[in-house]
Amino acid sequence: DQQVKQNSPSLSVQEGRISILNCDYTNSMFDYFLWYKKYPAEGPTFLISISSIKDKNEDGRFTVFLNKSAKHLSLHIVPSQPGDSAVYFCAASAYNAGNMLTFGGGTRLMVKP
Amino acid sequence: DTGVSQDPRHKITKRGQNVTFRCDPISEHNRLYWYRQTLGQGPEFLTYFQNEAQLEKSRLLSDRFSAERPKGSFSTLEIQRTEQGDSAMYLCASSLFPPDDSPLHFGNGTRLTVT
Repeated sequence: DQQVKQNSPSLSVQEGRISILNCDYTNSMFDYFLWYKKYPAEGPTFLISISSIKDKNEDGRFTVFLNKSAKHLSLHIVPSQPGDSAVYFCAASAYNAGNMLTFGGGTRLMVKP
Repeated sequence: DTGVSQDPRHKITKRGQNVTFRCDPISEHNRLYWYRQTLGQGPEFLTYFQNEAQLEKSRLLSDRFSAERPKGSFSTLEIQRTEQGDSAMYLCASSLFPPDDSPLHFGNGTRLTVT
């Protein structure tokens, strides 16, 4: 069973526009959520996180929104840059459970110049 | 901070052979995790250590898989009697505990191909 799902395998946006990546989860025990970015031939790199006590967290061009009632989170990138082209993974964990992350399947973002 | 280091980067082996991968975490990190990633999927958790103690191993894929972290520093992941289905990217990550939600830092992985 996929506890974390990213339903869009790919997304293409124009440079300067907003990129919105979505993620849904089913396990109500999850209370900490992260986004990782992955370039080819590299390991995933941590991007931004949010705990369940918040509904928004911002870091520069990146904002994560959490809707607990809908079990949905999204990553907004504004403005999108060609260097943002990568695979983005959503991940979740339950607090005080060893930080064992459950990942979604990833969304490939392509930002066109 | 030299990052998480994994060795080798690539391993090609024949079915039935044993393989061992090594992970060197970020030096001050006391937690170490192993994940597996197959094509088109996200990383899948396998096991983790806090210092030298293996705190979760029930998600290792079969009894052919084992991991060690004997002195609480580097770790090894061994797969015995490899099968073609073991072909994947094996990722190691480390973090500093506490806090429990400290982000994981991943290495660049070891790509295993079983022929």
